[in-house]
Amino acid sequence: NAGVTQTPKFQVLKTGQSMTLQCAQDMNHNSMYWYRQDPGMGLRLIYYSASEGTTDKGEVPNGYNVSRLNKREFSLRLESAAPSQTSVYFCASSAQKGLLKKGYTFGSGTRLTVV
Amino acid sequence: EDQVTQSPEALRLQEGESSSLNCSYTVSGLRGLFWYRQDPGKGPEFLFTLYSAGEEKEKERLKATLTKKESFLHITAPKPEDSATYLCAVQAGTGGSYIPTFGRGTSLIVHP
Repeated sequence: NAGVTQTPKFQVLKTGQSMTLQCAQDMNHNSMYWYRQDPGMGLRLIYYSASEGTTDKGEVPNGYNVSRLNKREFSLRLESAAPSQTSVYFCASSAQKGLLKKGYTFGSGTRLTVV
Repeated sequence: EDQVTQSPEALRLQEGESSSLNCSYTVSGLRGLFWYRQDPGKGPEFLFTLYSAGEEKEKERLKATLTKKESFLHITAPKPEDSATYLCAVQAGTGGSYIPTFGRGTSLIVHP
């Protein structure tokens, strides 16, 4: 099915370990986003990529890095995981950054626990 | 600073009991207001986009309306399968990024 695919679905890390969350979309969308969702906090934007070759910080970028590998793929890296990064991470995509007639398409999420 | 507030935080209804969810916003230059549905363990699923005051959109038992300060998601004769968290997001024209701001959501439970 067309959409946004995230891997892995679940991950447990020890404090200080690193990992990369993968995201791929097959809708030929230009813009991609990484959000984290915490209880009582709603969805908060970490980084986004308006188009291939560009990335920008969102509301909560500290402790994260991103790579827009090509038009389809946008990865999120935690270089040194901290317990405060325990969260559910969602990748999303849209046809364009500024025109959201059909909103975002979200992946199913990665549930990350840092111990 | 753009703000989006959803109320109530949680809502329990009996099957068939109609109600409304609220999304109030304070932004400069509204470009669009979005409603999403999120089931447990899944990502948000897009429902509606509203662009201007007075606009309405409908889908099955859901109807979204928009004024200059708030949006309502009306649920008519809900069924247990309507149970989910409903998220509102607002996109404003100022600030340059055009990235929507999300509310914290309303958790809806419909009892049979």
